Amino acid sequence: DIVMTQSPDSLAVSLGERATINCKSSQSVLDSSSNENYIAWYQQKAGQPPRLLIYWASTRESGVPDRFSGSGSGTDFTLTISSLQAGDVAVYYCQQYYNTPQTFGQGTRLEIK
Amino acid sequence: EVQLVQSGAEVKMPGESVKISCKASGYSFTNYWIAWVRQMPGKGLEWMGIIYPGDSDTRYSPSFQGQVTFSVDRFVNTAYLQWSRLKASDTAIFYCARYGEAGATATPVDHWGRGSLVTVSS
Repeated sequence: DIVMTQSPDSLAVSLGERATINCKSSQSVLDSSSNENYIAWYQQKAGQPPRLLIYWASTRESGVPDRFSGSGSGTDFTLTISSLQAGDVAVYYCQQYYNTPQTFGQGTRLEIK
Repeated sequence: EVQLVQSGAEVKMPGESVKISCKASGYSFTNYWIAWVRQMPGKGLEWMGIIYPGDSDTRYSPSFQGQVTFSVDRFVNTAYLQWSRLKASDTAIFYCARYGEAGATATPVDHWGRGSLVTVSS
């Protein structure tokens, strides 16, 4: 199984500041033929199901604000929220869909400082 | 509009069986893989496995193989997750979710149900 490890486990950021969440996979999730990284990021607010934010490591899902961005390749990935809003308080998960089982990171809890 | 409507909360005793459902609408049910995801109380997301409603092709995570059963009813556009003998450690919220591309699993999940809480307690 591919192990996904996120850091930090929790993060407190001031409103308007940048939040950065990291995700590392135990093996590369880059498909060399397509040059795509099989990584998605999800946001889960309290009491709600997860919501897809980013896929192919850097493609924003329709309707997701452009303050959310994803980057990285191979085994190291980052989700960045450029200017934190109060509504961004949530747990964020990375997931690899390169092969099965399609594993998630343990989650990063993002709070307001 | 794509919708996945999950069945309500269940409270069961250890050793009992249960079957929860996920009714799909707004798209061609048989053409998109469905995933099941577990979230234990206060914990993260765990991918349990997937089922293709078109032919019931099923793939389980090794962690859940033999513990649960996925099925579908194409006539009512519904996917199911069932247990034959529940344990207290099965207490969790279970989400169904649809993959974003027809026929593909190497693609992100883009639609989620709201989850079904299963509580197992004596």
